[in-house]
Amino acid sequence: GAVVSQHPSRVICKSGTSVKIECRSLDFQATTMFWYRQFPKQSLMLMATSNEGSKATYEQGVEKDKFLINHASLTLSTLTVTSAHPEDSSFYICSAVDSSLGDGYTFGSGTRLTVV
Amino acid sequence: KNQVEQSPQSLIILEGKNCTLQCNYTVSPFSNLRWYKQDTGRGPVSLTIMTFSENTKSNGRYTATLDADTKQSSLHITASQLSDSASYICVVSRQGGYNKLIFGAGTRLAVHP
Repeated sequence: GAVVSQHPSRVICKSGTSVKIECRSLDFQATTMFWYRQFPKQSLMLMATSNEGSKATYEQGVEKDKFLINHASLTLSTLTVTSAHPEDSSFYICSAVDSSLGDGYTFGSGTRLTVV
Repeated sequence: KNQVEQSPQSLIILEGKNCTLQCNYTVSPFSNLRWYKQDTGRGPVSLTIMTFSENTKSNGRYTATLDADTKQSSLHITASQLSDSASYICVVSRQGGYNKLIFGAGTRLAVHP
């Protein structure tokens, strides 16, 4: 089945630094990937839609200059949290759609970001 | 307003017992409904996906039902195991593109020995 690899699984960084999270579709091509944020005991909140070869589409309230998304190939999307602050600490999850499976979404395993 | 509501919010059961989780939605136009299992600190894993014409689908000990008329779905877990302890998320997809998933808040299930 479709597999989405997300890396790193955990990262701790200092305030003011930037962190990059990678999301790869391992056995399929994904023209569209999605980035979510999840706070403790809450469900996933869509942050942005990542489109291969074009600019990402951000949800209302998500700062595009703070959460940089790059989807340079059909198998890789990256999310960079710039100038991280403690309030950016959260669980970030990506997902991708394998169009050959119809309307099938596959999620990555998530990245726990802690900003100290 | 497109919404997905799940109940109960949390549930504790003993190992070996059955349980049923509920999902009500007001998403329109409806495309499909999915149930995901999310272990703590992990990404969601798909259990079932049902379209408008399907009213039941099984995946091992998990059986999902869908009543598109009343806009209700349930996830039944049979003979629960300790490894079933997780959050179960109901997700409804709207027609009209990939970025149309509406997430429920999830039900946190704890299976105790």
